[in-house]
Amino acid sequence: DIQMTQSPSSLSASVGDRVTITCRASQIISSYLNWYQQKAGKAPNLLIYAATTLQSGVPSRFSGSGSGTDFTLTISSLQPEDFATYYCQQSYTIPITFGQGTRLEIK
Amino acid sequence: QVQLVQSGAEMKKPGASVKVSCKASAYSLPSYDISWVRQAPGQGLEWMGWISAYNGNTNYAQKLQGRVTMTTDTSTTTAYMELRSLRSDDTAVYYCARFMTGTGGNSWFDPWGQGTLVTVSS
Repeated sequence: DIQMTQSPSSLSASVGDRVTITCRASQIISSYLNWYQQKAGKAPNLLIYAATTLQSGVPSRFSGSGSGTDFTLTISSLQPEDFATYYCQQSYTIPITFGQGTRLEIK
Repeated sequence: QVQLVQSGAEMKKPGASVKVSCKASAYSLPSYDISWVRQAPGQGLEWMGWISAYNGNTNYAQKLQGRVTMTTDTSTTTAYMELRSLRSDDTAVYYCARFMTGTGGNSWFDPWGQGTLVTVSS
């Protein structure tokens, strides 16, 4: 199975900060990488697919980059509604696997 | 607006079975696969498998093989996930999600159902 490792596991930041979350795959996955946001008690919500493509309706302050094994999710200027947990997910091979999550908290 | 609406919370005893439903609206169910993902309390996301709503083909996570069955009913635009021989570590929120595949072969989950809490306890 492909292991997805996110860093950091948790992060404290302030409104207006620029934040970067990293996701590393245990083997090359091309650009078969997606990012989700999950707020407490809610279902995950797709932010970015194919490593860099912003899902329709997602604010442009979110962006994704990377290919191969190393990927990043960047939030350019944190807003109050962005405090949540973020997950990466690979679809290169079965089983589909997720990172362990990065919890983004208010400083 | 594409939406997936799941059935309500369930409480089951160890060894029992549970069947969760997921009703799709505002899109043609046979056009996309449906996947199931679960999340134990305070934990991350675990992929369980998927079903083609077009032809019923399935692909299950190896650890659940033999205990899980995914089905669809196109007449009611509803997908189902049945999990048997329940254990305490099956306690989780179970999500259905439309499984999208892009032209490059990458696949993602969008949208998701609201989730169904399944509690397994004696």
